[in-house]
Amino acid sequence: ETAVFQTPNYHVTQVGNEVSFNCKQTLGHDTMYWYKQDSKKLLKIMFSYNNKQLIVNETVPRRFSPQSSDKAHLNLRIKSVEPEDSAVYLCASSPRWGGDAETLYFGSGTRLTVL
Amino acid sequence: GDSVTQTEGPVTVSESESLIINCTYSATSIAYPNLFWYVRYPGEGLQLLLKVITAGQKGSSRGFEATYNKETTSFHLQKASVQESDSAVYYCALGGDTNAYKVIFGKGTHLHVLP
Repeated sequence: ETAVFQTPNYHVTQVGNEVSFNCKQTLGHDTMYWYKQDSKKLLKIMFSYNNKQLIVNETVPRRFSPQSSDKAHLNLRIKSVEPEDSAVYLCASSPRWGGDAETLYFGSGTRLTVL
Repeated sequence: GDSVTQTEGPVTVSESESLIINCTYSATSIAYPNLFWYVRYPGEGLQLLLKVITAGQKGSSRGFEATYNKETTSFHLQKASVQESDSAVYYCALGGDTNAYKVIFGKGTHLHVLP
């Protein structure tokens, strides 16, 4: 049963455009993440938030900006896309404490294609 | 830095054969690493397969096992007899840095099981 919802599933755009991706989790977790999966299937952390606060920013270009309105939502905006931004963007959430701590629950991903 | 290295794929085995996917980690900034195996089956999202947070312990799920070996910094995934339905991409991952809020993934190993 899906509990981390991402929209859209796919997005095709042109270089220089702005895009936004949405993510919502219904698991009551405190921590949310954005990961980027490139064409070689390599998964890299981009950002993590804990209770709406940015904790991790992994040397991501400044055109990427995460936005969190509450701990259940974490969106990602790319101000002016570049060809190398073509990838699958995966949103995830995890509990902060307890036996399930750090277990990531992933959304189905947003596939971005930049022409 | 912290990193994960795993068997490069694709790995092809025949049904009922045994399997081992190697995973080694480097946790220079993490005092008590947590280790994970995630799996993506065709057409599905990335999900947790198993997790071990204590050195020397073994985790198991769906017939797969992995033992957390602190001495060799390894967390190899093994199965005695694979099935065609085990065909998937397997990711080894490292967490446990309570200040970092991030889980680091290996590059993934694509497993093909032949009928």
